This record gives sequence, C-alpha cells and structure tokens, in this order.
Amino acid sequence: DAGVTQSPTHLIKTRGQQVTLRCSPKSGHDTVSWYQQALGQGPQFIFQYYEEEERQRGNFPDRFSGHQFPNYSSELNVNALLLGDSALYLCASSLGRLNQPQHFGDGTRLSIL
Amino acid sequence: DAKTTQPTSMDCAEGRAANLPCNHSTISGNEYVYWYRQIHSQGPQYIIHGLKNNETNEMASLIITEDRKSSTLILPHATLRDTAVYYCIVRPAGTTDSWGKFQFGAGTQVVVTP
Repeated sequence: DAGVTQSPTHLIKTRGQQVTLRCSPKSGHDTVSWYQQALGQGPQFIFQYYEEEERQRGNFPDRFSGHQFPNYSSELNVNALLLGDSALYLCASSLGRLNQPQHFGDGTRLSIL
Repeated sequence: DAKTTQPTSMDCAEGRAANLPCNHSTISGNEYVYWYRQIHSQGPQYIIHGLKNNETNEMASLIITEDRKSSTLILPHATLRDTAVYYCIVRPAGTTDSWGKFQFGAGTQVVVTP
C-alpha cells in the first residue's frame, strides 16, 4: 500500500521563476494538505483541498496556489519565487472526516538561488 | 486555536521508557491531542491521538490528564531509531472549516543514546 508520494524530491530555481510540486495521496484518501517547513522550524499549513476545492488556507500570499484532480492528486504552484520560499514542502493526505490523522510524504526540497 | 508547550530537548537512554510532556492549558472540549514525530530528512510520522481517554497503539501510549490541560507521550522501550523531533498538536475544533489545519510548534528534540 503506497503512502503519500511527492515529486520531485529536490528542485533548484531562481528568483522570479515559477514552480509546480506534485503529490499523490495515500490510497483511499481524498483530502490533501500542503505545508511549508523552513530549516529548523515546524511545518506551517499552506492550504487544504477536498473535492477539488480549496477548503482552508493558512497565512500565505496569493503567489501560492493549488489544484486537486479528480483522482485526488494535487499540485502546489508558487509564482514569482523569493529567496524566502526556500524550504521543504510537505504534502499530507487524509480521509475527509473529522479527527482523522494526516499522513505525510517526505517532501520536496526547494532551493531558490 | 489552542497552543502547546513542549520542552526544547530531551535525552533518553536506549531501552528505557521515554516520557514526553506537553502542556495545552487552553484546549477546548472537542479538540483532540495529536502526536507526530519527524526523523531527519523525512516527513512527519503520525504516532497517536486522543480526546480524553488514554490511548495505546503499537508505537506509543498517550496519557491525557483528567482536566485535559496536559498530556504525556510514552515510548515504552526507546531505541536509537526513535531519535527525532516530536510534535504535540491540538487540532482545532471539529468543524468542516478545520479539517486541515495542524499547527506545528517547534517540538521536542529527543536524542536516544546507547
């Protein structure tokens, strides 16, 4: 039973570019959440998708956007990259019910030069 | 949202029980306590969660005080592979608007030594 898979594992971009990160949820899960984790800090919630709609959003600018596909997979897009966007981006999936744990992938390490 | 307080770091001897404390004095009646851990270079791993009763699974036990203002995660027989950052999280109230949001703090760095 495959867990949450993310691609790519590492990515290097320059300031001002755009990036797309991808996530496949754990089998049977229908909800995907994205988190940003800066070095030495805990993950910070970006947003969550359920039924192909953004359901909840953290304190991130509109440069961060996402999408969920009918097969429940998801993309995170970041436009106009800044040096401060360098981080580990984590995807988590869950079954869209109350109080169910989220299961995380190992993330995409994004470096901005 | 309720916040949690955890010690910055803890050391534990291999083979001994590790008791990780967490304070969540402003927790609401319908908020669950979750524990995750993150081993270096990996994503957070779910450990256990509970509302008010003590919980146990194959990884750990969760003890929640009667007033729910604090909890303790117990790793019964720590191994070197348990070295990780452990996060205690209180999940926002169970409404459809709060499905997603796990608020991670800085966690506790646990180092298990031989």
